[in-house]
Amino acid sequence: GAGVSQSPSNKVTEKGKDVELRCDPISGHTALYWYRQSLGQGLEFLIYFQGNSAPDKSGLPSDRFSAERTGGSVSTLTIQRTQQEDSAVYLCASSFTSGRSDEQFFGPGTRLTVL
Amino acid sequence: GENVEQHPSTLSVQEGDSAVIKCTYSDSASNYFPWYKQELGKGPQLIIDIRSNVGEKKDQRIAVTLNKTAKHFSLHITETQPEDSAVYFCAAKEARMGYSSASKIIFGSGTRLSIRP
Repeated sequence: GAGVSQSPSNKVTEKGKDVELRCDPISGHTALYWYRQSLGQGLEFLIYFQGNSAPDKSGLPSDRFSAERTGGSVSTLTIQRTQQEDSAVYLCASSFTSGRSDEQFFGPGTRLTVL
Repeated sequence: GENVEQHPSTLSVQEGDSAVIKCTYSDSASNYFPWYKQELGKGPQLIIDIRSNVGEKKDQRIAVTLNKTAKHFSLHITETQPEDSAVYFCAAKEARMGYSSASKIIFGSGTRLSIRP
């Protein structure tokens, strides 16, 4: 079956522009996560959606970052007024919840470059 | 919140030898500890996991051990092969009251494993 997909795969933008990154989770997965991975670094948690509950936004680095998840499926991560330090790979993952399985399935990521 | 530390950051072993990666976590209530493998240009993929009611789990050449008292867990890869070269991440899942599975997973900083031919 289809895995987690992300678009675009690569995004180059100019400093100060807004960008939107999209994640399509696996059908039936109620949990969705966004992570940021800077070059050669680990996975930095950004935000977590679980069903209809309020999202856990505790990892968002600034108010320039926001995310939404429409209809419990597709999610969009928006970065406003991009800065060069926002350059990284943004990874999305989805999983079941309610005790079925904790395994997170990751998408291939979106590589964001801010010039 | 949970904090996960991982060592070493890089590891080079001779093909056929064993590799060990170690992690510590801070929240004694964490109850799920997965290990992910990330190959170049791809997203991480789960290779093995362990829950807090188990001390060791093995899957072919890969094993994970958990010491709840010390809050340590380790990944062991035996008879390493070239295809084991990748970045490996440990992680721990926060435990929240009233949310059996609805809690985030915190990742370690990763270990770049290289297998020398």
